[in-house]
Amino acid sequence: SQQGEEDPQALSIQEGENATMNCSYKTSINNLQWYRQNSGRGLVHLILIRSNEREKHSGRLRVTLDTSKKSSSLLITASRAADTASYFCATDARNTGNQFYFGTGTSLTVIP
Amino acid sequence: NAGVTQTPKFQVLKTGQSMTLQCAQDMNHEYMSWYRQDPGMGLRLIHYSVGAGITDQGEVPNGYNVSRSTTEDFPLRLLSAAPSQTSVYFCASSYRGWETQYFGPGTRLLVL
Repeated sequence: SQQGEEDPQALSIQEGENATMNCSYKTSINNLQWYRQNSGRGLVHLILIRSNEREKHSGRLRVTLDTSKKSSSLLITASRAADTASYFCATDARNTGNQFYFGTGTSLTVIP
Repeated sequence: NAGVTQTPKFQVLKTGQSMTLQCAQDMNHEYMSWYRQDPGMGLRLIHYSVGAGITDQGEVPNGYNVSRSTTEDFPLRLLSAAPSQTSVYFCASSYRGWETQYFGPGTRLLVL
């Protein structure tokens, strides 16, 4: 079974608005990452947050991590049409062997 | 640098046939991994390697073999293709551990 689940499954917003996606996971982690996938393409790494960090920023991206709730959120501010893609969280699970798990993804559509 | 390359881009197989999906990286990364992505789902780890000569199973290893004789190459072998192996396959590499992963463009496999 997959480690992570994203919420919502799909999100549609107007250009310029903020987009928030949430990720929940099941087991303790070493780090949590967010990736973007444009339709039919490979994944692109966006940001990594370690288990001892609570918040991280990169450009228009803001990631938070709450290890007590086993959840993370990705905020994209001032969205652009080019942000249209699927977004996946991924976890480096601790205590379950050397495994790496992806969530189910959020499909984001930014309407120009 | 070419990054992570995968061949072929698309392949059609008949049930029972075997084939090898090729993956190569030119970044001198330690970790290499293979994932499959099924419609509406995130990626699931098939096999991974932490260095030349060392491989291990991921979440869904059955029906697949891997080997890593060099740092650069990490081929995935389907021993006897089944319709359930119809999927998009992604290869990825990372410098060390489950840190930032760089993905190839993917191979679309259809098993009839």
